[in-house]
Amino acid sequence: GAGVSQSPSNKVTEKGKDVELRCDPISGHTALYWYRQSLGQGLEFLIYFQGNSAPDKSGLPSDRFSAERTGGSVSTLTIQRTQQEDSAVYLCASSLVRLNTEAFFGQGTRLTVV
Amino acid sequence: GENVEQHPSTLSVQEGDSAVIKCTYSDSASNYFPWYKQELGKRPQLIIDIRSNVGEKKDQRIAVTLNKTAKHFSLHITETQPEDSAVYFCAAYEFQGGSEKLVFGKGTKLTVNP
Repeated sequence: GAGVSQSPSNKVTEKGKDVELRCDPISGHTALYWYRQSLGQGLEFLIYFQGNSAPDKSGLPSDRFSAERTGGSVSTLTIQRTQQEDSAVYLCASSLVRLNTEAFFGQGTRLTVV
Repeated sequence: GENVEQHPSTLSVQEGDSAVIKCTYSDSASNYFPWYKQELGKRPQLIIDIRSNVGEKKDQRIAVTLNKTAKHFSLHITETQPEDSAVYFCAAYEFQGGSEKLVFGKGTKLTVNP
């Protein structure tokens, strides 16, 4: 596609359930990032992929969060046993090689845990 | 790691006036500083960026200045228009230990009053 695509755009889930968020980066972009944006807040770094490898998982808030990337393309962010504090917009971004070139963001997945 | 502070958190100006948003960073090794604009409900989009070998960059009504010694950079918008109303985020590129990320400020909500 022409841009970074995320699905679903909205997700409402019950506390304790698992959710999977998907990101399709721009074709050919080797770097992929997940950020979290809580209401009225800045962008909180979660994880970085270079190809299929994740050199930096330091931003994942707890062991309930995990992410993978396959084929150097699609990435999924999984949140297990969701909690209300997980409610936020989860943004994915990709860049051609490194982040010191333009990073393109997806439209985000708005997660609401009830 | 890198820490980015952004001020002010909200800014209200009259149409036609100038707006200035300031950011400071902590890691002197950071060398790339992008600015993103996020309209309500939309994805963040890059509006301008600057690298550490340049002190100033302009693009029509938007300019960014960088003071490496003081570790601060600023966004200047001249002749503001209502469509400039949005949340603006500054960021600093951090490359450390094989990982990289953009560290964002908490954002400035700019309102341009007609």
